[in-house]
Amino acid sequence: EPEVTQTPSHQVTQMGQEVILRCVPISNHLYFYWYRQILGQKVEFLVSFYNNEISEKSEIFDDQFSVERPDGSNFTLKIRSTKLEDSAMYFCASSGQGNEKLFFGSGTQLSVL
Amino acid sequence: RKEVEQDPGPFNVPEGATVAFNCTYSNSASQSFFWYRQDCRKEPKLLMSVYSSGNEDGRFTAQLNRASQYISLLIRDSKLSDSATYLCALAGRRALTFGSGTRLQVQP
Repeated sequence: EPEVTQTPSHQVTQMGQEVILRCVPISNHLYFYWYRQILGQKVEFLVSFYNNEISEKSEIFDDQFSVERPDGSNFTLKIRSTKLEDSAMYFCASSGQGNEKLFFGSGTQLSVL
Repeated sequence: RKEVEQDPGPFNVPEGATVAFNCTYSNSASQSFFWYRQDCRKEPKLLMSVYSSGNEDGRFTAQLNRASQYISLLIRDSKLSDSATYLCALAGRRALTFGSGTRLQVQP
């Protein structure tokens, strides 16, 4: 069964450093998403991406964040100058049609020290 | 009113019991509704879509009540393996929005 893959599974970084979280969506999907989940809290939407551009972003997704699809398979989330409060599980998701049946990767646990 | 609201639980039920969760939403323009299951520190996994006419998948039944703006999930004959957090999710013009989840603990 096709799946969304994310790397790394865990990332530890120092406050102020930049991190890049990587995702390989399901190959025939066209819509890509990043969500995050702070420990004990709800799954929160960050950004959606379609046709090589951001289609929607939340209030959380400020100038500190950026997304890119550098080639035909990878979808990345870059967090510049990380803060302690960026510590969370970051989930990538993809879907064949917008806002329909999202399939999630297993997540990257980001710890900012 | 929050965009999506769920009773956090936990719902502690014995094996074999029937349990139901509700999820209320505030945006009447919401068009698509889903139930996801999330195990501890894992990714959400799609359990089922929710259709206006109601739909069933094995032991799971989902209902949508647009007039009262809620969706429900019924689990019959609960198994130990059903223990998880159940997230409702809805989409409209905006990206998929999740509720905080309802925790279910099925006990032997």
